Amino acid sequence: GDSVTQMEGPVTLSEEAFLTINCTYTATGYPSLFWYVQYPGEGLQLLLKATKADDKGSNKGFEATYRKETTSFHLEKGSVQVSDSAVYFCALSTTSGTYKYIFGTGTRLKVLA
Amino acid sequence: DADVTQTPRNRITKTGKRIMLECSQTKGHDRMYWYRQDPGLGLRLIYYSFDVKDINKGEISDGYSVSRQAQAKFSLSLESAIPNQTALYFCATSSSKRDGGDEQFFGPGTRLTVL
Repeated sequence: GDSVTQMEGPVTLSEEAFLTINCTYTATGYPSLFWYVQYPGEGLQLLLKATKADDKGSNKGFEATYRKETTSFHLEKGSVQVSDSAVYFCALSTTSGTYKYIFGTGTRLKVLA
Repeated sequence: DADVTQTPRNRITKTGKRIMLECSQTKGHDRMYWYRQDPGLGLRLIYYSFDVKDINKGEISDGYSVSRQAQAKFSLSLESAIPNQTALYFCATSSSKRDGGDEQFFGPGTRLTVL
């Protein structure tokens, strides 16, 4: 069945370090892919998205590229800040057959000053 | 003002009690969703509604029911709460009219504890 797998956390980095959070997916058809971020005590909010192969989503210095050949959508940022500390969720949506919106288990990022 | 609101924000109840969680939105979206979040499991879809007359079960609907009272309101009920329904519950909305993917907008969550 359709699924999203993302790297387990927590990930702890120093400020200005490079960030990669891996995400791979399994889906029939051509899903849309998303990264959401959850700050403490809040709901999820969309960070970036990509709707077709080779699309690159970007926002606030974060980037992710929809790679159909490797079924991946890894999140990257060149220089993290303390304010980036949060939980990051990879997700997919598909209307191939039954509608599905599937989230990964989340990766907690902690950035130290 | 928040676009997606949930009430209550926190609730402690006892096993066997009926509980209703409410969600309202001012975004004008036609689609609404209920999720639960558990540590290590991410978010799982309970029910979704694509319009007032359309209600669908999600991945984990057993023990839950929903009502779409209006386009802007979507409530989740636990008919007889049990301890393993202790979780953080989120309501979300999206619009079928937006191009470029199915972005969802989340409320702040309701923390439910069933003793």
